[in-house]
Amino acid sequence: NAGVMQNPRHLVRRRGQEARLRCSPMKGHSHVYWYRQLPEEGLKFMVYLQKENIIDESGMPKERFSAEFPKEGPSILRIQQVVRGDSAAYFCASSLKRAPYNEQFFGPGTRLTVL
Amino acid sequence: AQKVTQAQTEISVVEKEDVTLDCVYETRDTTYYLFWYKQPPSGELVFLIRRNSFDEQNEISGRYSWNFQKSTSSFNFTITASQVVDSAVYFCALTTDNFGNEKLTFGTGTRLTIIP
Repeated sequence: NAGVMQNPRHLVRRRGQEARLRCSPMKGHSHVYWYRQLPEEGLKFMVYLQKENIIDESGMPKERFSAEFPKEGPSILRIQQVVRGDSAAYFCASSLKRAPYNEQFFGPGTRLTVL
Repeated sequence: AQKVTQAQTEISVVEKEDVTLDCVYETRDTTYYLFWYKQPPSGELVFLIRRNSFDEQNEISGRYSWNFQKSTSSFNFTITASQVVDSAVYFCALTTDNFGNEKLTFGTGTRLTIIP
């Protein structure tokens, strides 16, 4: 049973470009969570999605950031017009059912570098 | 609101020494879950343990042990006979049973360096 997959593992963008980060949850998991880890900091929650629905986006920046989890395909975290401050590691986690009853399994992360 | 504090930013110990990583949490909920994760230099997050608020029994897994004390809101992690492979950043995290609050709240992490 494959774990949570994230791609790309490393992404380099220039200021003003768009970044698309993909997360494929574990098989059968319909709950996805995105976290951001700024350099030398802990992980901060961004958004929680179920299939086709955003459940909690309280940690998402108000502008430039969006997330989706379509009925088919991976979850996508999209950052428009990236700035240097967006450079971070972005982790995706999935759970079978609603956490905390079901553990969140983390992917390997996508390291975004904005030049 | 919930909060996790890991006051130790960095710790260095010589190999084979024991080391304890502190974690203090805050939550108003009576049902909550505490976690420890390891982040080695390669960057991935490795799950170590989950403990719910109703289970105050300490846990031991090989060289790892965890001391959960509700009276002091602490969930400390001890590595005995440390090894170089234990070098990593360790995160303590908290979530609660509130519907709509499924997110994990992480501490800022403790960077542990084991000196050979």
